[in-house]
Amino acid sequence: AQSVTQPDIHITVSEGASLELRCNYSYGATPYLFWYVQSPGQGLQLLLKYFSGDTLVQGIKGFEAEFKRSQSSFNLRKPSVHWSDAAEYFCAVTDSWGKLQFGAGTQVVVTP
Amino acid sequence: GAVVSQHPSWVICKSGTSVKIECRSLDFQATTMFWYRQFPKQSLMLMATSNEGSKATYEQGVEKDKFLINHASLTLSTLTVTSAHPEDSSFYICSARGRGDPYGYTFGSGTRLTVV
Repeated sequence: AQSVTQPDIHITVSEGASLELRCNYSYGATPYLFWYVQSPGQGLQLLLKYFSGDTLVQGIKGFEAEFKRSQSSFNLRKPSVHWSDAAEYFCAVTDSWGKLQFGAGTQVVVTP
Repeated sequence: GAVVSQHPSWVICKSGTSVKIECRSLDFQATTMFWYRQFPKQSLMLMATSNEGSKATYEQGVEKDKFLINHASLTLSTLTVTSAHPEDSSFYICSARGRGDPYGYTFGSGTRLTVV
């Protein structure tokens, strides 16, 4: 069965610093991978997704992610965080039925 | 872009009553709707999947008689929490997928349910 692991429950980063959120997946076939962001009390917004092709994916809000099959990873990065990037971030993979399987999430706190 | 409207945003109800949560796809036809439950500071747990005009498929451990899902049209799906109890208090989120985009999931803004 597929699974998604986000090793970091909580990350604190200074405004203007770079951010990297880790995501590891377990899936037998070629995975369809997603990163979502959730602000408190809100639904999820898609940041980016990877299906195939170029392994470096550009998303919204200045985020990018790199798919590394050899490491079963799909880490999310942003070169310079803004205070508005404080939120919960979820990595997800679809199963063969098209259902999303989410990781546990990483809470990002941005300090001045 | 695709928009899913979820209502209400929050609701407080008494134990034993039923609560209905609506999700509407505003600018596309939602052939599949997913309903999730999220506990504080936790991930989303898929409760059920419904295809328009068909009965919902519930995940293991989810009581289908307690969480009634209706997906009678291509733009509307509802989740009814029947005979609610305090342990049903949670954040419920819907997600819709349209025809022609099998991996395009649009999420509603969620409903905070508090049962007192």
